[in-house]
Amino acid sequence: DTAVSQTPKYLVTQMGNDKSIKCEQNLGHDTMYWYKQDSKKFLKIMFSYNNKELIINETVPNRFSPKSPDKAHLNLHINSLELGDSAVYFCASSVGLAGGYEQYFGPGTRLTVT
Amino acid sequence: DAKTTQPTSMDCAEGRAANLPCNHSTISGNEYVYWYRQIHSQGPQYIIHGLKNNETNEMASLIITEDRKSSTLILPHATLRDTAVYYCIVRVAHNNAGNMLTFGGGTRLMVKP
Repeated sequence: DTAVSQTPKYLVTQMGNDKSIKCEQNLGHDTMYWYKQDSKKFLKIMFSYNNKELIINETVPNRFSPKSPDKAHLNLHINSLELGDSAVYFCASSVGLAGGYEQYFGPGTRLTVT
Repeated sequence: DAKTTQPTSMDCAEGRAANLPCNHSTISGNEYVYWYRQIHSQGPQYIIHGLKNNETNEMASLIITEDRKSSTLILPHATLRDTAVYYCIVRVAHNNAGNMLTFGGGTRLMVKP
């Protein structure tokens, strides 16, 4: 069974569109995250979400918004897509919010904006 | 979180031990050392973490120097499947400010036949 899953695996869209990436974890974890890996392969945290508490990396544009329908899901909505949004987006989860818990990552969603 | 320094790349022969160093000279007393790796086209994978003592699990061993300013991740018998980018991350364990990981450039380990 896949612990952290993401859909779609690939997403190609045009500038200006609005898109969503879905993430689900079946580990019973309380905390979920979104990371972005750009073309230079640097992984950067975007959000941490725990029990309706959202912690945002201040560098993330407000066009990006996470939405959690329940504890097992954290979807990423992106409005008015730009070329620079092209990247691989990883969802992750951990037992809790405290820094001692390891994170489990999904397989990633490769977003290409044309 | 303390900054870490890792070599950009390393090679290792298959079946030999891979020793990946990490410098974290500004580490604080309450900061742990974590190791993750990312195999090509996959999500990062947790390997191991430690505070002061050396740690071992089914994947690897972590050796932390007595002054805690550096550490070494050891893969005892590297296989081709261990080819990946290895990230050393230092962060506070009991920090409720989001548990957000900060990844550096990592070390690209190439295991060769």
